[in-house]
Amino acid sequence: GNSVTQMEGPVTLSEEAFLTINCTYTATGYPSLFWYVQYPGEGLQLLLKATKADDKGSNKGFEATYRKETTSFHLEKGSVQVSDSAVYFCAQFSGGYNKLIFGAGTRLAVHP
Amino acid sequence: GAVVSQHPSRVICKSGTSVKIECRSLDFQATTMFWYRQFPKQSLMLMATSNEGSKATYEQGVEKDKFLINHASLTLSTLTVTSAHPEDSSFYICSAREKGALYNEQFFGPGTRLTVL
Repeated sequence: GNSVTQMEGPVTLSEEAFLTINCTYTATGYPSLFWYVQYPGEGLQLLLKATKADDKGSNKGFEATYRKETTSFHLEKGSVQVSDSAVYFCAQFSGGYNKLIFGAGTRLAVHP
Repeated sequence: GAVVSQHPSRVICKSGTSVKIECRSLDFQATTMFWYRQFPKQSLMLMATSNEGSKATYEQGVEKDKFLINHASLTLSTLTVTSAHPEDSSFYICSAREKGALYNEQFFGPGTRLTVL
């Protein structure tokens, strides 16, 4: 069945470092792809999304490109800040399953 | 933005007791609410979907008699874990969606960590 796999954390970076969090998916067809972020004590929030191949989602300096060839949707940011410390979830939605399918989440810790 | 709250944020109970978790949409009417569960180092998994005034639809493998869901109003859904056992210890997250919104336009609560002793 459809699934999402993302890199295991925690990821620990210094401020202004480059961030990559890997995410790959398995799916029949072409699902929509999402990144959600959960800050401490808060609910998951939609960070960005892409609905078709080669689409690039972007928000708050984060980017992810829908790569059909490699079934990937890696999250990147050029210069992280301490305030980016959170748990990041990759997810897909396909009409066939009619539900959001999440990865396990990756905790990011950014130090000054 | 839309806010969803959950109560309690953390609960510890004895094996065999029942625990109720509340999920509220604070500033919008949620025609659909979702309940998810996450075990350590595993994916967030959908347990059930509930529409206001209707019975919940449970995902395969989720016992409906053990996880009772009530969505009696447009702002409140409750999940009751009946006769809880240690294997029910998990992180439970709810989300809510307004009528007519896209599927991914769900607003998530902060989660409830359940520990069953």
